[in-house]
Amino acid sequence: ETGVTQTPRHLVMGMTNKKSLKCEQHLGHNAMYWYKQSAKKPLELMFVYSLEERVENNSVPSRFSPECPNSSHLFLHLHTLQPEDSALYLCASSQQLLAKNIQYFGAGTRLSVL
Amino acid sequence: KQEVTQIPAALSVPEGENLVLNCSFTDSAIYNLQWFRQDPGKGLTSLLLIQSSQREQTSGRLNASLDKSSGRSTLYIAASQPGDSATYLCAPEYGNKLVFGAGTILRVKS
Repeated sequence: ETGVTQTPRHLVMGMTNKKSLKCEQHLGHNAMYWYKQSAKKPLELMFVYSLEERVENNSVPSRFSPECPNSSHLFLHLHTLQPEDSALYLCASSQQLLAKNIQYFGAGTRLSVL
Repeated sequence: KQEVTQIPAALSVPEGENLVLNCSFTDSAIYNLQWFRQDPGKGLTSLLLIQSSQREQTSGRLNASLDKSSGRSTLYIAASQPGDSATYLCAPEYGNKLVFGAGTILRVKS
């Protein structure tokens, strides 16, 4: 148990569906992150939040919409996804946003878009 | 563009061997560098964090070195065990983000 919990662990959705991924951290951290891990590609940073404010948006398509209602929760809202969006989506948190802070990762949500 | 390369892509060794995993990065202006382990179907676990001012960091059988000026880091695993089988990821940090390599898939045979 790393202190970062992601739900659901697996999700299958059609291209016209709307779904949300949830991440919750129990570590008292102030920064949270969404990453995408596609098959045979390196992990890619999607979004960064610090104290509930988005500080990084790594050229992610608008069909992915993040939400950070408080420092413990992070959501990724999905709508009209494409099959190439199928991947493992990982959430992470760290004490602070600045350098020298270890990131703690959740187990991920395995997403399949049909 | 910040790119990270890990060599080898995959490694299969008998139990007990000492291992060397290599990581190179194109932009040497890093804040720090982390090594992670990822088990199949699971998230990442941080193994070691080396700050940009450090040359190496040790934890148990793991030792990571950093040569910032040449853009290289090496992870040494001593006396490998079957439980070390996993994917090992290198990630230098630039400002607010980690940039990951594709990883080295390690299999230690008993």
